[in-house]
Amino acid sequence: EAQVTQNPRYLITVTGKKLTVTCSQNMNHEYMSWYRQDPGLGLRQIYYSMNVEVTDKGDVPEGYKVSRKEKRNFPLILESPSPNQTSLYFCASSSWTAYTGELFFGEGSRLTVL
Amino acid sequence: SQQGEEDPQALSIQEGENATMNCSYKTSINNLQWYRQNSGRGLVHLILIRSNEREKHSGRLRVTLDTSKKSSSLLITASRAADTASYFCATDQTGANNLFFGTGTRLTVIP
Repeated sequence: EAQVTQNPRYLITVTGKKLTVTCSQNMNHEYMSWYRQDPGLGLRQIYYSMNVEVTDKGDVPEGYKVSRKEKRNFPLILESPSPNQTSLYFCASSSWTAYTGELFFGEGSRLTVL
Repeated sequence: SQQGEEDPQALSIQEGENATMNCSYKTSINNLQWYRQNSGRGLVHLILIRSNEREKHSGRLRVTLDTSKKSSSLLITASRAADTASYFCATDQTGANNLFFGTGTRLTVIP
């Protein structure tokens, strides 16, 4: 089954404790992206990757890091989480070279930073 | 902001009625897409309309695009309770490498 898998789905952590949210897709997609969703603000892009070893900032990259060492994985790293990073996070992927334009989303990771 | 804006923010209708949601955007686009999100879940792609298309249908969905007005509408006909969700437009903007999402319309279909 084609899917984007995020882990963990739910996480409560404390300020400053480094965490990683993993994202994996099994569709051989070149393009992967991270979004955060906050009430009243819609989805805002954090980082995206056009292919392995190619990453770029989205609209709200501050406080986040990413890496793309393998095509299927695109982890989101919060080196020193702060309460303003409490949010619902989504990973998404797309076949950019084929460019159907459709994004496939994971089920989301709800993060609370105390 | 490069985000689109949906209108209305919330819509409540009776089952069987039609639901219309609108999206406005600010820049040139390659295509515009509509996504659906059930509460707290991942977004699901519904339909894509390219900048050279004016109307597109998929089942009970009808999407229109007016590039001169920089706006799009999503019509869901004969709504069902299962259509209750948030609906987002997303624009693939010329020269950009990502989609820009609006803030969504929350649709409630009352059985």
